[in-house]
Amino acid sequence: AQTVTQSQPEMSVQEAETVTLSCTYDTSENNYYLFWYKQPPSRQMILVIRQEAYKQQNATENRFSVNFQKAAKSFSLKISDSQLGDTAMYFCAFMRYNNNDMRFGAGTRLTVKP
Amino acid sequence: NAGVTQTPKFRVLKTGQSMTLLCAQDMNHEYMYWYRQDPGMGLRLIHYSVGEGTTAKGEVPDGYNVSRLKKQNFLLGLESAAPSQTSVYFCASTPDLGDSGANVLTFGAGSRLTVL
Repeated sequence: AQTVTQSQPEMSVQEAETVTLSCTYDTSENNYYLFWYKQPPSRQMILVIRQEAYKQQNATENRFSVNFQKAAKSFSLKISDSQLGDTAMYFCAFMRYNNNDMRFGAGTRLTVKP
Repeated sequence: NAGVTQTPKFRVLKTGQSMTLLCAQDMNHEYMYWYRQDPGMGLRLIHYSVGEGTTAKGEVPDGYNVSRLKKQNFLLGLESAAPSQTSVYFCASTPDLGDSGANVLTFGAGSRLTVL
């Protein structure tokens, strides 16, 4: 079974600075997808960024980027120019190709301080 | 532009009572999912459906039943609620699992269930 580990239960960062959230996963599959979801206090789950394992290029979405290290099974999220609205729980998730079972990590609670 | 709608948003039950959570999506998505979220454990898949009339077990199916009689609706039932089922429940949907990027899940806003 696939497992997803987020080793940082809580993190904080000053507004406008950069922060990196860690995620590692365990799988024997070669083809899969990785995701970062954001859950603000409203509880709504929002997709932040998505990475296909067959793509070597790291995904980027505006201030959000990932460092995908397939051999190390690592998938970290970098948030640049942090904003107060980035305060949320962040979940790393793994899904095998053509499979319905998306596995989530336990989450990292990020607080952006003014 | 409703997306995925869950009802009710909050519910308090007594041990042994039954209830049904309703998930409705207006995006014509084929796949629908029910997750539960517990502190320190992320989201775990309870049951899912790959189309109208089909259902399948996820990671933590015990104590729950589901039905997908209509494509747009996915119901999660608790026949005899237990305190261990106190959680926040999320419904999600996706068009399919292909390489077009359609395996991104769209989530509802969650339903907080407390079993006393």
